[in-house]
Amino acid sequence: GQNIDQPTEMTATEGAIVQINCTYQTSGFNGLFWYQQHAGEAPTFLSYNVLDGLEEKGRFSSFLSRSKGYSYLLLKELQMKDSASYLCAVRDALNAGNNRKLIWGLGTSLAVNP
Amino acid sequence: EAGVVQSPRYKIIEKKQPVAFWCNPISGHNTLYWYLQNLGQGPELLIRYENEEAVDDSQLPKDRFSAERLKGVDSTLKIQPAELGDSAVYLCASSLGQGLDTQYFGPGTRLTVL
Repeated sequence: GQNIDQPTEMTATEGAIVQINCTYQTSGFNGLFWYQQHAGEAPTFLSYNVLDGLEEKGRFSSFLSRSKGYSYLLLKELQMKDSASYLCAVRDALNAGNNRKLIWGLGTSLAVNP
Repeated sequence: EAGVVQSPRYKIIEKKQPVAFWCNPISGHNTLYWYLQNLGQGPELLIRYENEEAVDDSQLPKDRFSAERLKGVDSTLKIQPAELGDSAVYLCASSLGQGLDTQYFGPGTRLTVL
């Protein structure tokens, strides 16, 4: 079956670094997305990985290992406004065209404390 | 550039009543998605349109839910009759091309069924 695992909740301190992990088991693989969702708001796109390695965007970085079915989102210099849910989503590619699926994780709720 | 527009933002109805949600995607975006999201969960796809064609409606409860995307632009999602378990946030998203690329979400409609 198709499955994505993320920790349910994490807590970190302002100014620190936090790593949010995502492991996946899907039928084929053609990209992994990270989205941020603040309480009561819609998800917003953070990053996309399709090749192995680290993608850096300012304070946020995302890593992918396709052989391990593993990704992480790294948040540096945490700020209070980073308190949100972080969603991992994997695009499968076993099937072509309209049979492709985007599999969503349940999200990791991050609380940043002063 | 305007983002994805949804209306209404909030809706409270009694069970067995009908309800409809409207979505206007980002101009030029071919793909439109309707999701359901419960508190503390990831988005669950209800239906995906490529232009005016519904290419994935496998998770749409067709006995009570219906959707349309006339002329491949705006879309409407309807529930008739609504049940208590339908209380959730209904998110609309759009993406530029086909193939499940980066999605841009609207603010969502929070539905409460009493």
